[in-house]
Amino acid sequence: DAMVIQNPRYQVTQFGKPVTLSCSQTLNHNVMYWYQQKSSQAPKLLFHYYDKDFNNEADTPDNFQSRRPNTSFCFLDIRSPGLGDAAMYLCATSGEPYNEQFFGPGTRLTVL
Amino acid sequence: DAKTTQPNSMESNEEEPVHLPCNHSTISGTDYIHWYRQLPSQGPEYVIHGLTSNVNNRMASLAIAEDRKSSTLILHRATLRDAAVYYCILGRMDSNYQLIWGAGTKLIIKP
Repeated sequence: DAMVIQNPRYQVTQFGKPVTLSCSQTLNHNVMYWYQQKSSQAPKLLFHYYDKDFNNEADTPDNFQSRRPNTSFCFLDIRSPGLGDAAMYLCATSGEPYNEQFFGPGTRLTVL
Repeated sequence: DAKTTQPNSMESNEEEPVHLPCNHSTISGTDYIHWYRQLPSQGPEYVIHGLTSNVNNRMASLAIAEDRKSSTLILHRATLRDAAVYYCILGRMDSNYQLIWGAGTKLIIKP
């Protein structure tokens, strides 16, 4: 089945230690998104790629970076995680920006 | 700023219809109305979307008020598997297509 895959499902890191979350898709979609979701809140868009074009949300901290080396993969790098960065990180894809988004299961990040 | 307002939670009985309301009084003429739901421990999934006319699909129906300042997601016959958080979202075409998420309604289904 075509899908959006996130690895790992659970990630534990230490305060200030860089961490990378990964997302892959078999849908061949143009757009890939990264969302942050904290407990009992709606997902918050961090940034997205339309093909190779990177689009950062205005209020996304500089601590968050992303890479998309090819159509299938997208990475979220957190350079110096703080306690406030503990959250669920969701990857999503869509064919075009106005199309339905397909979400992965998320990676739950714990910062010790 | 465009935003949506939803009740925090709703309860319904299994096998009965559910009407989930959403207010979006600041909607602009070209904003789409989307609904996604998020089951426990899963990523959100698309439910339905519309612009002006009512919409039906295999999952649900979307009823949009004539002035577009509110909409209602209708689950025709709720099952226990429909227990989830339902998000009402505005889709806005700026330089990029932007989804403006509401806070969501937690739907509880009673057997």
